[in-house]
Amino acid sequence: DAKTTQPPSMDCAEGRAANLPCNHSTISGNEYVYWYRQIHSQGPQYIIHGLKNNETNEMASLIITEDRKSSTLILPHATLRDTAVYYCIVRTQGGSEKLVFGKGTKLTVNP
Amino acid sequence: EAQVTQNPRYLITVTGKKLTVTCSQNMNHEYMSWYRQDPGLGLRQIYYSMNVEVTDKGDVPEGYKVSRKEKRNFPLILESPSPNQTSLYFCASSWRLAGYNEQFFGPGTRLTVL
Repeated sequence: DAKTTQPPSMDCAEGRAANLPCNHSTISGNEYVYWYRQIHSQGPQYIIHGLKNNETNEMASLIITEDRKSSTLILPHATLRDTAVYYCIVRTQGGSEKLVFGKGTKLTVNP
Repeated sequence: EAQVTQNPRYLITVTGKKLTVTCSQNMNHEYMSWYRQDPGLGLRQIYYSMNVEVTDKGDVPEGYKVSRKEKRNFPLILESPSPNQTSLYFCASSWRLAGYNEQFFGPGTRLTVL
């Protein structure tokens, strides 16, 4: 699976959009981009995933660049409860289904 | 409510005393997995199971056993726990459908081995 690079930490004001970047320059054509988050020491929570088209669900939007070498997770109206570590993961479908969690980005939403 | 449950949530034990951490899911998922999380090392996969009676090693299987006799349950067994198995453990499950890979994680089990 391709390696990902994320900033170690980011801050965001409550109510504003949080834009979390992820670089995955070695991604291959059949690899998906997944985002999970972990609030404090709770179990990780799935947010969204995509292959090449932009995706949106009730939690967030995922913007993938045309060359697929980077992506951005957007939380449109961040709340204090969105404070968490956000993980960008690149992997193929199938196989061991293993998720390889890097260090992620610690997002702090400030009042 | 769709969920993954783990028990116990907290456990303090002593070296060598066999223990089992249970994991159960109510979503009829084929795939189940165990991870451990340690500071500076992130989450690492211990074992996984593609379906009943099918299990395989992850990245850090030493010192652990698993079984998958029923679809809903995937217990993690530490036959002779050691202090280096002190960690936060998570169970996860998902369907195995093409294009779908949302994994559901349990709340975690914090284990301390003295």
